[in-house]
Amino acid sequence: ETGVTQSPTHLIKTRGQQVTLRCSSQSGHNTVSWYQQALGQGPQFIFQYYREEENGRGNFPPRFSGLQFPNYSSELNVNALELDDSALYLCASSLAGGQPHYEQYFGPGTRLTVT
Amino acid sequence: AQSVTQLGSHVSVSEGALVLLRCNYSSSVPPYLFWYVQYPNQGLQLLLKYTSAATLVKGINGFEAEFKKSETSFHLTKPSAHMSDAAEYFCAVSSNTGNQFYFGTGTSLTVIP
Repeated sequence: ETGVTQSPTHLIKTRGQQVTLRCSSQSGHNTVSWYQQALGQGPQFIFQYYREEENGRGNFPPRFSGLQFPNYSSELNVNALELDDSALYLCASSLAGGQPHYEQYFGPGTRLTVT
Repeated sequence: AQSVTQLGSHVSVSEGALVLLRCNYSSSVPPYLFWYVQYPNQGLQLLLKYTSAATLVKGINGFEAEFKKSETSFHLTKPSAHMSDAAEYFCAVSSNTGNQFYFGTGTSLTVIP
């Protein structure tokens, strides 16, 4: 059983550019959540996808968007990058589908630096 | 809306000493609470979770946490610290619908030999 994988590991972008981060869920998991973790902070919930639909969203602007594919892999897209978007982006998969007690399995993250 | 507050951004203990990491929650409904650990340059790993089945929850690596409704707390403890416990620890709460998660700001645990 493979765990949650994320690509790329590191990424450097320029302010104003767009970026796409990718996540492969753990086998059999139908729910993916994305988090932003700034240096020295706790993860901040961006959004959750369940069966290819956005199922919940945190306090992030619309330039943060996502997709979930039929195989339950997922993408996080960020448009018009700002310096404050520099962070570790974590993906987590689960069988949650709206059930709060299911465990989330986290990937190692993508470190995004915006210059 | 739910939230969690972790008291103490840094905690240092001697090897073999008691570990106590504090977490208080705010929720208008019975919460689902979690403790995660994060080692350097890695993702988060679940230590334990509270889902109202029992107030004392046992997790991996000898950690446990007690849910105290009267104190709105869910503190993490371990009787005897090991060097390998040095990491960042996060308390988190889930919405009842499971589609929103809120993490605390984290507590960095240092274990002194």
